[in-house]
Amino acid sequence: DVKVTQSSRYLVKRTGEKVFLECVQDMDHENMFWYRQDPGLGLRLIYFSYDVKMKEKGDIPEGYSVSREKKERFSLILESASTNQTSMYLCASSRLAGDVYEQFFGPGTRLTVL
Amino acid sequence: GEDVEQSLFLSVREGDSSVINCTYTDSSSTYLYWYKQEPGAGLQLLTYIFSNMDMKQDQRLTVLLNKKDKHLSLRIADTQTGDSAIYFCAEKAGADYKLSFGAGTTVTVRA
Repeated sequence: DVKVTQSSRYLVKRTGEKVFLECVQDMDHENMFWYRQDPGLGLRLIYFSYDVKMKEKGDIPEGYSVSREKKERFSLILESASTNQTSMYLCASSRLAGDVYEQFFGPGTRLTVL
Repeated sequence: GEDVEQSLFLSVREGDSSVINCTYTDSSSTYLYWYKQEPGAGLQLLTYIFSNMDMKQDQRLTVLLNKKDKHLSLRIADTQTGDSAIYFCAEKAGADYKLSFGAGTTVTVRA
């Protein structure tokens, strides 16, 4: 079974703090993704990565950066947290198995910025 | 860009069928997905359909795809309390590895 883990389920930070969200997958997947989930808006893609040390901006990259130093780990960084970054953050990795493309999700990190 | 839309709420009686609808705009979609999110959890893939198919059935789940109208639906037969969750429609366009998600439909099953 594919497993995607995220370092924290709940996190509370103060405005201006630097925040690191970690994601690890154990299936040697090339692609990894960071989304944020907000009620009524669904999932919005922040950043994604096709390979180690490679990153691409998603739809809402402002205020975020990422790091992919190892294939299994994809980190999301909030350089200076703001209250509008309070959200649920979901990490995913993906594979193409035969004709089927599938994304696998972690349990999510609920971040509150005070 | 891609745009996926779905209604936000659905209430259904236990034992009835649920139908969740989704529309998308990208005609180059290759896969369409339904994900389920239970409270406090991440997303779990329920089922998917290739864009060259009209229907897919998997136990209590039936997916219908109308490519002409760019309309996707998920029918859950004999809805149970464990089916209460948020259901997301998503599409994958062409060779891109990104998925575009709808806002999610919150399904509430009442006794």
